[in-house]
Amino acid sequence: SQKIEQNSEALNIQEGKTATLTCNYTNYSPAYLQWYRQDPGRGPVFLLLIRENEKEKRKERLKVTFDTTLKQSLFHITASQPADSATYLCALRYSTLTFGKGTMLLVSP
Amino acid sequence: NAGVTQTPKFQVLKTGQSMTLQCAQDMNHNSMYWYRQDPGMGLRLIYYSASEGTTDKGEVPNGYNVSRLNKREFSLRLESAAPSQTSVYFCASSEQGELFFGEGSRLTVL
Repeated sequence: SQKIEQNSEALNIQEGKTATLTCNYTNYSPAYLQWYRQDPGRGPVFLLLIRENEKEKRKERLKVTFDTTLKQSLFHITASQPADSATYLCALRYSTLTFGKGTMLLVSP
Repeated sequence: NAGVTQTPKFQVLKTGQSMTLQCAQDMNHNSMYWYRQDPGMGLRLIYYSASEGTTDKGEVPNGYNVSRLNKREFSLRLESAAPSQTSVYFCASSEQGELFFGEGSRLTVL
């Protein structure tokens, strides 16, 4: 079965730096890949979608890359702020949407 | 515009009791989903409904049933609750791939 790997350890960075989160997967590439943000006690919120034939997608301070050769997506937040602290989930679309376990990001002032 | 609404937000059950989690969306989406989220396990798909009148099993369907009552509503039923079903349950809807989630229902089975 498909396996999705996100770093289980929290990522701690200083305000203003760029945060980079990784999502790796096994087997074949999905039709598309999504990133979600989840705050404690809340439901996930959609951030970005990138398709199999796209290399990079940007939205404001967010950037996602998708490398089907490496079977990896990188999620970048530039000029990070304490308000960006949350858990970030990647999700891969096969017949349904399958989620990784998420990586917690902590941005300190 | 409420989006996806789940009820109840919190529930405590005893082993063997039954209950139904309700979900309604006001975005006119065709597809609806039920996920559960457990520490260290991430979000796992229980059941989904690609359109009104259809339902399909996800990754972890055992112990659950669903009903797509109409286009707006998708309910999840636990017929005989077990402690292993203690979890946070999320309902979601989608139209073009992006999922819109509710705020979650926190269920504890004693």
